[in-house]
Amino acid sequence: QSVLTQPPSVSAAPGQKVTISCSGSSSNIGNYDVSWYQQLPGTAPKLLIYDNNKRPSGIPDRFSDSKSGTSATLGITGLQTGDEADYYCGTWDSSLNAVVFGGGTKLTVL
Amino acid sequence: EVQLVESGGGLIQPGGSLRLSCAASGFAVISDYLSWVRQAPGKGLEWVSLIYNDGRTFYADSVRGRFTISRDNSKNTLYLQMNSLRAEDTAVYYCARGTGSAWTHDPWGQGTLVTVSS
Repeated sequence: QSVLTQPPSVSAAPGQKVTISCSGSSSNIGNYDVSWYQQLPGTAPKLLIYDNNKRPSGIPDRFSDSKSGTSATLGITGLQTGDEADYYCGTWDSSLNAVVFGGGTKLTVL
Repeated sequence: EVQLVESGGGLIQPGGSLRLSCAASGFAVISDYLSWVRQAPGKGLEWVSLIYNDGRTFYADSVRGRFTISRDNSKNTLYLQMNSLRAEDTAVYYCARGTGSAWTHDPWGQGTLVTVSS
């Protein structure tokens, strides 16, 4: 069981918007920034968002995140079939002295 | 270009040992946070271990006492020594650089598969 809780799956139609939640506690999300990763089938994870809505070079602004208290949310607008992937949130947990990840969310673009 | 390339995976019997390597290019391993993250077949990401630029190390409870993270600055390479391997250690092992913070991983290597089975 993961320290951070994500929904197992979400789906939406092409062109629509989808959100993926990541719920934690005061020892992790409540006090540390959240990073989001995209893992396309058969590939290594890739950093999407970090440090309060910063995006690495090449990541489009269709991807965004927000945080409130002990929860974070990844938003994807203008969905494309190429966005079908598994998405993970991650942060630091000061009680565990460990990096923690969510269980992952599979995005299906219908 | 910053790049990480893992090697050393393979088939190993339960109780055996294996050392994974992660060759870095485009940056110095001594100057950054570096983590090992694994992914069991069909499962999610599981953080394994982290080494700070000052040498401090951290481990997941599931591997503490069995795995050791280290780096060779002269070879610019990160290692994961894995002892007393169990079936549940079977996974693809990725190395990743911490950018800005220890838990923001970018980039990731391509991964190396470790299979623990008799």
